[in-house]
Amino acid sequence: ETGVTQSPTHLIKTRGQQVTLRCSSQSGHNTVSWYQQALGQGPQFIFQYYREEENGRGNFPPRFSGLQFPNYSSELNVNALELDDSALYLCASSLGSGTGNGYTFGSGTRLTVV
Amino acid sequence: KQEVTQIPAALSVPEGENLVLNCSFTDSAIYNLQWFRQDPGKGLTSLLLIQSSQREQTSGRLNASLDKSSGRSTLYIAASQPGDSATYLCAVSPFTGGGNKLTFGTGTQLKVEL
Repeated sequence: ETGVTQSPTHLIKTRGQQVTLRCSSQSGHNTVSWYQQALGQGPQFIFQYYREEENGRGNFPPRFSGLQFPNYSSELNVNALELDDSALYLCASSLGSGTGNGYTFGSGTRLTVV
Repeated sequence: KQEVTQIPAALSVPEGENLVLNCSFTDSAIYNLQWFRQDPGKGLTSLLLIQSSQREQTSGRLNASLDKSSGRSTLYIAASQPGDSATYLCAVSPFTGGGNKLTFGTGTQLKVEL
């Protein structure tokens, strides 16, 4: 059973650029959630994808967008990067959109915006 | 709005000590509570998941309790080891809706010294 894998592990971008982060869900999981973790803080919910559709969103602007593919992998896209977007981005997968099964997290992508 | 607080923010103990980490949440309408471990710059490793109908869960030297009515959970670590040094995060899932997002505390940074 493979876990959640994220790519790339580290990324440096310039303010105003666009970035795409990728996530492969754990085998058998059909739901993917994305979180942003600033230094010294707990992760903050960005959005969740279930059956290729957005299924809930946190307090993030529209320049944060995502996709889920038929194989349940997912992408997080951030446009017009700002310095405050520098953070660890975590992907979590679960079985079903319900909350009873817990979440498996990937190792994250460290994004630095300069 | 759900808020999760973890006390203490940081803790340093000698090897072999038993210790308790605390987590409190403001809205008792939760589906479950999950404890995670995070090593520096890394993703989250799930330790224990407690459903709202349960009182506690155990895994090895770890024991987590849940008192939903008072909005509290504790993580008990027995016979601590230097390898337990990490940040411990608790997170709650809402009972209904919201895309089933997790709300995290800011974590307790644990250091176990030789």
